[in-house]
Amino acid sequence: KAGVTQTPRYLIKTRGQQVTLSCSPISGHRSVSWYQQTPGQGLQFLFEYFSETQRNKGNFPGRFSGRQFSNSRSEMNVSTLELGDSALYLCASSLTGESYNEQFFGPGTRLTVL
Amino acid sequence: AQSVTQPDIHITVSEGASLELRCNYSYGATPYLFWYVQSPGQGLQLLLKYFSGDTLVQGIKGFEAEFKRSQSSFNLRKPSVHWSDAAEYFCAVGAGGQGAQKLVFGQGTRLTINP
Repeated sequence: KAGVTQTPRYLIKTRGQQVTLSCSPISGHRSVSWYQQTPGQGLQFLFEYFSETQRNKGNFPGRFSGRQFSNSRSEMNVSTLELGDSALYLCASSLTGESYNEQFFGPGTRLTVL
Repeated sequence: AQSVTQPDIHITVSEGASLELRCNYSYGATPYLFWYVQSPGQGLQLLLKYFSGDTLVQGIKGFEAEFKRSQSSFNLRKPSVHWSDAAEYFCAVGAGGQGAQKLVFGQGTRLTINP
């Protein structure tokens, strides 16, 4: 079974631009979560989608948004990029999003904002 | 609110030596606890998890962890480390039910193995 896929793997943008990252979960998984990883703040939860609905949300500004499609693939969007948005963005999928379901992480998308 | 503290930012051990990585959590209810490992350029891989029951949990790659409610700790151990264990290790706590995906991670402990 293929793992979680994230595209692109690397991205360079400039301040003020917007970016869209994509995540394809493991086949059959319906929950997709997004995390931001930076050296200063560590791993922080962004949001979780389940059956095309945002079910949980972290403490990030409205510039960060996401969506999930009927095939469970998910995208996250960051508008008006700031230098501090430079990070590794990790996507994780699980079967239903319940506590007994393991989250499987993708390799991440490395975003650099210049 | 949940929080996780990993007191050791960086640990160096010799190959073949035993290992213990510390994790303290703060959570009002019964926590769901996890240890993940991240190799350079990779995503996170689950080593083990604790939900309830036996407080000593066995994981993959020879790792184990012990849940101690009285100390709010969930320390990760391995009796004999291998050079391939060099990586960053993250402890995480999650809520139950549908909040389970909202994991709160510690800052991580970087493990270096001396040959």
